[in-house]
This record gives sequence, C-alpha cells and structure tokens, in this order.
Amino acid sequence: QQQVKQSPQSLIVQKGGISIINCAYENTAFDYFPWYQQFPGKGPALLIAIRPDVSEKKEGRFTISFNKSAKQFSLHIMDSQPGDSATYFCAASMSRGNEKLTFGTGTRLTIIP
Amino acid sequence: GAGVSQSPRYKVAKRGQDVALRCDPISGHVSLFWYQQALGQGPEFLTYFQNEAQLDKSGLPSDRFFAERPEGSVSTLKIQRTQQEDSAVYLCASSLVSFRLAGGSLYEQYFGPGTRLTVT
Repeated sequence: QQQVKQSPQSLIVQKGGISIINCAYENTAFDYFPWYQQFPGKGPALLIAIRPDVSEKKEGRFTISFNKSAKQFSLHIMDSQPGDSATYFCAASMSRGNEKLTFGTGTRLTIIP
Repeated sequence: GAGVSQSPRYKVAKRGQDVALRCDPISGHVSLFWYQQALGQGPEFLTYFQNEAQLDKSGLPSDRFFAERPEGSVSTLKIQRTQQEDSAVYLCASSLVSFRLAGGSLYEQYFGPGTRLTVT
C-alpha cells in the first residue's frame, strides 16, 4: 500500500516560534505534495503545495522544503500564531494516476501564548 | 461563492441500516472524490469520478459501499447494511479539471465539511 509517513503526531509550539512537521514517502511516482490544514468539524483546506522540480516553496509564513533524493518533505510555519492551532496533513498524488490524494496520519499543532 | 456542500452533516444509523450521503460539488467541477476519515486519522481515498464516469473505486472497503454521480454533478455515497466499523467522517472533494486534461496543471481539491456517520 502506498504510504506517506508523518511526524510528529502532536506538537506544541510557543507563539512566535517555528513549527516544523515532517513527512516521508516511498512511491517515487508521486509528483505533487500538498499540505492541508483541518479545523475541528471542517474539511481539510489546502495550505501550500509543491512539485518535485523545486526544493522549496514559500507562501507567507508557510514554507515547504522538499528533498527528492531522501523522499522527504516538511512544512515550516514561521511566527506561529494561536490561530494556527489545527491538525495538519501532508499528502501526495501522482499526475499519471487519478490525482487521488494519499494522506499522512496528521499532526495536531497547538500554539501556546 | 458556494463551496462543496455535504448532507446530512451528521447521521446516526443502527447496525444493518442503509444510509445515503450526498455531495454537491462546486459548480462546473469535473472531478469528484470521496474519502473516509476515521477518528484521529488522515482521509483515505474511496472512489473517484470524472464527470459521470466512475474511474476508480479501488478504495471502497467492501461491496456494501456504492457511489454514483449520474448527471456529472451531485454524487451519492450509499452504504448498505452498515457496520460499526463504517463509523467515520465521509469527505467529498471536487476539482475543476483532472491533471491530464489540464495538460500538466494540477488543480486543487476543495473539500466539503464531511458527514459524520455513527453506527450504533
């Protein structure tokens, strides 16, 4: 089964700090790597996504770092705010497939004042 | 604008009952996906439609699960003879076009709020 492994399971970061969540994948056919944010009772919402032809993508306070040779990618949230407290999922999909997303198991992020 | 809507938001079913979950995708979106999210887990793929064609149903856990999208817009996920292990949040997502049709531009999947199914 195709898998995406995500860590840590939960994370507590002080306000203003940097939150870092890591993911690793096995299937080299994956070529699209999005991160989703989910609040309780809501569906996942896309935060930022990256293709393997770049090693880093930044949008505001959110940055994806991608290491193709290690088959790893990570999400960095700079200047973390209490409003960032949510569950974050990494995911992967293949452009030659049906674009179905394979999700990691999620990281519950809590930002404390 | 309107996003993906799902109904009902909550459903309690007794074991053995049939249930039907509805998804209204964003108007004009070609691709529609169903995912199952168990408590504390990431969503898992169930099935995929491109317009009215069901192109992949490899994630459906058993033949008790059936999905349709007869007119290429609204979709229904039906679960027959529900079991306790079917308890989960069922998420629907839609995207404007498929990657291949877009010629390389991958379009975002927009998720609905989900239907929380509890089987007692």
